[in-house]
Amino acid sequence: DVKVTQSSRYLVKRTGEKVFLECVQDMDHENMFWYRQDPGLGLRLIYFSYDVKMKEKGDIPEGYSVSREKKERFSLILESASTNQTSMYLCATNRQGMNTEAFFGQGTRLTVV
Amino acid sequence: SQQGEEDPQALSIQEGENATMNCSYKTSINNLQWYRQNSGRGLVHLILIRSNEREKHSGRLRVTLDTSKKSSSLLITASRAADTASYFCATAKAAGNKLTFGGGTRVLVKP
Repeated sequence: DVKVTQSSRYLVKRTGEKVFLECVQDMDHENMFWYRQDPGLGLRLIYFSYDVKMKEKGDIPEGYSVSREKKERFSLILESASTNQTSMYLCATNRQGMNTEAFFGQGTRLTVV
Repeated sequence: SQQGEEDPQALSIQEGENATMNCSYKTSINNLQWYRQNSGRGLVHLILIRSNEREKHSGRLRVTLDTSKKSSSLLITASRAADTASYFCATAKAAGNKLTFGGGTRVLVKP
């Protein structure tokens, strides 16, 4: 079974804090993604990585950065958390190439107070 | 920007009835995928249909794709209470398989 594991299910952080969300996969997939999910807006892509140390901005990268030092781990960093970053964050992975499905972690519900 | 837009946003049906939801997208795609999400959890892949396919089945699921209309539909036949979830379509535009998701359809199946 593919496992995509996010480090926390629930997080509460204060405004201005630096926040790290970690995602680890055990399937040797090249691609890893961070999405945020908000009611009525579906999933929006924050950042995407297709290889170690490689990254691409998604649709809403502002206020976020990412790190991929090892193939299995993709970290999302909120440099200075703000209340509008309160959301559900979802990590996903898939293989490179055409017509591959994505596997998701269980999600991290982040509340910034 | 959202590539896929699902319709309806919410659907309530009785157990045993069929549930149909639609997805429209804007640009050319390699494939279209449907995912399911139980409340507060991650998404689970249901079915993938390639751009050169028109219909695909998997168990009680039937997916159609009309690339001329840039639309897809997901049919769940003989629904069960356990089918209660949100359903999302996602499109992949190019190799690299970056998926773009729509807003989802919330389905409630009443026992």
